[in-house]
Amino acid sequence: DTAVSQTPKYLVTQMGNDKSIKCEQNLGHDTMYWYKQDSKKFLKIMFSYNNKELIINETVPNRFSPKSPDKAHLNLHINSLELGDSAVYFCASSLSQGTETGVYTGELFFGEGSRLTVL
Amino acid sequence: GEDVEQSLFLSVREGDSSVINCTYTDSSSTYLYWYKQEPGAGLQLLTYIFSNMDMKQDQRLTVLLNKKDKHLSLRIADTQTGDSAIYFCAESPAFYGNKLVFGAGTILRVKS
Repeated sequence: DTAVSQTPKYLVTQMGNDKSIKCEQNLGHDTMYWYKQDSKKFLKIMFSYNNKELIINETVPNRFSPKSPDKAHLNLHINSLELGDSAVYFCASSLSQGTETGVYTGELFFGEGSRLTVL
Repeated sequence: GEDVEQSLFLSVREGDSSVINCTYTDSSSTYLYWYKQEPGAGLQLLTYIFSNMDMKQDQRLTVLLNKKDKHLSLRIADTQTGDSAIYFCAESPAFYGNKLVFGAGTILRVKS
């Protein structure tokens, strides 16, 4: 029933490790995002995919690699984890344009977040 | 450039009105949004306003938009303890697809 689901919800790992966070949406949206929320709650976009194509790639280290196998999934793989990568990572999805039946608002639907702690 | 600023903290008594303010920079934003984040949860859309509107009312929520000053506010009437959360203002720069640019969030604490 969950609209945007991410796994895992919590991830504790050592510096230097590689980890992945998965995201799936069942809303029929064509655009998905990764946002990073730091310890001060500041929320910043990292990536956006539209129909499996990368459309937004903010200044993010190359250690972060998103992958979208289909438009309902967007995964985030992080290599060589660093202390500064500790944050809550939010997946989100949206439509990129209006539909015949609805008013387009550009609303993003967020997952519950994945809290990554790097020790 | 894109930048959204909000005051960081607001404390009110239960039953009072809360007003959270936000300034944004991108005048091309078609929509402006207010999202709510409860502890340990993701963000949920509270309300939005189309850029050609000055005001939008939705039950206890009133959004005011001053496009000239690029100022957005959210008023919550009869604030309840359940309204305690972080409130994020967001703009949607027109030339960046669906990218939303968020403010730092305003922590609303409601005292009973």
